[in-house]
This record gives sequence, structure tokens and C-alpha cells, in this order.
Amino acid sequence: ETGVTQSPTHLIKTRGQQVTLRCSSQSGHNTVSWYQQALGQGPQFIFQYYREEENGRGNFPPRFSGLQFPNYSSELNVNALELDDSALYLCASRLGGRDGNSPLHFGNGTRLTVT
Amino acid sequence: DQQVKQNSPSLSVQEGRISILNCDYTNSMFDYFLWYKKYPAEGPTFLISISSIKDKNEDGRFTVFLNKSAKHLSLHIVPSQPGDSAVYFCAASETNAGKSTFGDGTTLTVKP
Repeated sequence: ETGVTQSPTHLIKTRGQQVTLRCSSQSGHNTVSWYQQALGQGPQFIFQYYREEENGRGNFPPRFSGLQFPNYSSELNVNALELDDSALYLCASRLGGRDGNSPLHFGNGTRLTVT
Repeated sequence: DQQVKQNSPSLSVQEGRISILNCDYTNSMFDYFLWYKKYPAEGPTFLISISSIKDKNEDGRFTVFLNKSAKHLSLHIVPSQPGDSAVYFCAASETNAGKSTFGDGTTLTVKP
């Protein structure tokens, strides 16, 4: 059973640039979500995708967008990067659609630094 | 406002003793609660969960207690082992809402 993998592990970008982070879901999982974890805080929900459609979104601006592909892999895109976007970005997959009652399986995250 | 709170940023216990990690929530719509453990440079891993229809769930050394009237849950680890040293996150979700809401974590240190 292959777990959740994310790439790249670390990334440094300049304010105003755009970034794409990638995630491969755990085998058999059809739902993927993205979380932002700032230093010293818990993960904050960005959005969730089920069957290639966004079906839940947290309190993040539209410059945070995503995609889910037929093989359930996913991308997180962030436009017009700001310094406060510096954080650990976590991808998580699980079985089920909108239902929150199943554990998340997390990748090891992408550490994004915006300078 | 933070809907899930872990008021103790850190906890230190002796090996073999009990570790008790606490979590409070404010949203009465939450009906599923989970604990995750996180080691440095790794993503959180699922530890144990409890549905709002129960008040206790046990899995080996780990037990989660839920007090719905107080909107409080706790994770008990007995006996604590040095390998349990990690950051523990409490999370809560509503059925059909999809997202999980996390606390800011408690760093547990188990001393040999």
C-alpha cells in the first residue's frame, strides 16, 4: 500500500510569484484535502476535492486553487505569493466523499518559504 | 475564533506513567473527534478517534474520553514510552462537512 507522497519537500519563492505543489493520494483513496500549517499552529483546512470537484473550502482567498486528477493525484496552486504564505503545506487523502468521519492520511508536507 | 483548543503547549512525563492530553471545543455540531501524532519532518499520523455517540474508545495503550456536556475530550496514554514523544493534535469534524478542525497541538516528552 503506497502512502501519500508530496513534492517538492522544500521550496523557496519570491513574493508575487506563483507556486504549484503536488500530491499523490494513498492507493484507493478518492478524496484529497490540503492543509496549511504555520509555525506553532495546527493544520488549517484549505479545501477538499472529491471526484475531481472541489466540495469544501476553508477561509482562504481565491488565489489558492487546486485540481484533482482522474488518478486522484492533486495539485495546490498559489498565485501572487505573500510573505504570510510561508508555511508547511500538507496533503491528506481518505476514503469517502464529503463525509468527515474517516481519518486523514497525511503526506510529509512541502515547506514553502516566501522571501 | 478557535473552535478547537489545546491549552497545554507542552507536557513532560516519566516513562511508565500516564500521559493525559486535553482538548476543548466550542462547536456543538462536531460529532467526530480524532487524535493525530506528529514526529519532526513527518506528516501527522492518525492515532485514535471517537464518535459523539460514545464517551470512551480504547486502543491498546491509548484511550480517548469524550465529555459532550463539557465539550471536552482527553487522550490517555498508559504506560507512556519514550517513543511516544511527539506533537499530539486534537481534531474535530462534522458529518458531511468534509473538513477537520485542528487544535494547535501539545508537545509530549516522555523521559526515560
